[in-house]
Amino acid sequence: DTGVSQDPRHKITKRGQNVTFRCDPISEHNRLYWYRQTLGQGPEFLTYFQNEAQLEKSRLLSDRFSAERPKGSFSTLEIQRTEQGDSAMYLCASSAGLAGIYEQYFGPGTRLTVT
Amino acid sequence: DAKTTQPTSMDCAEGRAANLPCNHSTISGNEYVYWYRQIHSQGPQYIIHGLKNNETNEMASLIITEDRKSSTLILPHATLRDTAVYYCIVRVGRSQGNLIFGKGTKLSVKP
Repeated sequence: DTGVSQDPRHKITKRGQNVTFRCDPISEHNRLYWYRQTLGQGPEFLTYFQNEAQLEKSRLLSDRFSAERPKGSFSTLEIQRTEQGDSAMYLCASSAGLAGIYEQYFGPGTRLTVT
Repeated sequence: DAKTTQPTSMDCAEGRAANLPCNHSTISGNEYVYWYRQIHSQGPQYIIHGLKNNETNEMASLIITEDRKSSTLILPHATLRDTAVYYCIVRVGRSQGNLIFGKGTKLSVKP
């Protein structure tokens, strides 16, 4: 099964450290999305890419957060100077553009714990 | 995108139909109704979407009222593996951006 994969699945870090997460979308999908989910809440949008272009960023994406998709394939999400409030599940999703625009396929997520 | 209202939680007996309601009274003419679900510790999973007509696929059926102000997701024969949080989302068709999730309905399927 070549679904959306995310690495790592779990990350524990100390406050103030930098962390980077990776997302590998479904290979033919040109759109890639990042969401954040805290306990008991639905996922909240962070940013999305069409190919390598970052087309939209949420106000949740503070200047400590940066996302890249350098070759229009995999994407990375970096959080600098982590804070305890960054503890959450970080979800990646991809979709196939116009033909499959209704469906976003989600990965299993990366659970971040900031101590 | 229009706001949706869903019950916080519902129970269903295994093997029975699960009917999950969603109110979207401010929906506009070009907005579709989408359903996703999230099983514990997994990413959300697309279930079905519709505009006006009722829709059915291998997972579920979607019934949209004639005035489009509410809809019902039907899982015809619920199993324990259908225990999940179900999200009803309204958005413009062919919208190229993000999904806006609410808190959804926690469905518990009981033996």
